[in-house]
Amino acid sequence: GAVVSQHPSRVICKSGTSVKIECRSLDFQATTMFWYRQFPKQSLMLMATSNEGSKATYEQGVEKDKFLINHASLTLSTLTVTSAHPEDSSFYICSAPRDLTNEKLFFGSGTQLSVL
Amino acid sequence: AQSVTQPDIHITVSEGASLELRCNYSYGATPYLFWYVQSPGQGLQLLLKYFSGDTLVQGIKGFEAEFKRSQSSFNLRKPSVHWSDAAEYFCAVGASRGSARQLTFGSGTQLTVLP
Repeated sequence: GAVVSQHPSRVICKSGTSVKIECRSLDFQATTMFWYRQFPKQSLMLMATSNEGSKATYEQGVEKDKFLINHASLTLSTLTVTSAHPEDSSFYICSAPRDLTNEKLFFGSGTQLSVL
Repeated sequence: AQSVTQPDIHITVSEGASLELRCNYSYGATPYLFWYVQSPGQGLQLLLKYFSGDTLVQGIKGFEAEFKRSQSSFNLRKPSVHWSDAAEYFCAVGASRGSARQLTFGSGTQLTVLP
């Protein structure tokens, strides 16, 4: 079946540094990918929609300059957490739809970001 | 606005016992409902979905769920749990069939299976 690969699975960084998370669709092309954030014991919250070849669409309350999204190819989207602070520590998950319906939405395995 | 509530943060069952995970949703129109499972270190995997028709839906791994409009519920069930079912389970509601962006997830239920 379709697989979405997310890397790294875990990252620890110092406050003020930037961290890049990659999301790849391995056997299908994805013009759209989604980035979520999940706090412990809470829901996955959609942060932004990554669009290949155009600007990402951010959800209300998500800082565009803090969470930079680049969808440079049909199989790769990256999320860069810029100037990370401890409050950015969280679990980040990406997903990619094989098509635009909810039925064929495939998720990455997530990235645990810890900012010291 | 749509919302999903999973009342049970953590459930523990013995292997071979039956399982029911609760999910309540809030949505003004016909909901599109999903159950996903997440094992440690892995992505979310779709277990089953409900769009319309028969309110009892069958999914993978022996799971089923029943849509009850009167109770705004979509509970997940399995007659006999296996140790490999230990994972986190997420219920989700979609605003429409055609938009993956519009999924709202519950906070998840962690399932522990005792030998």
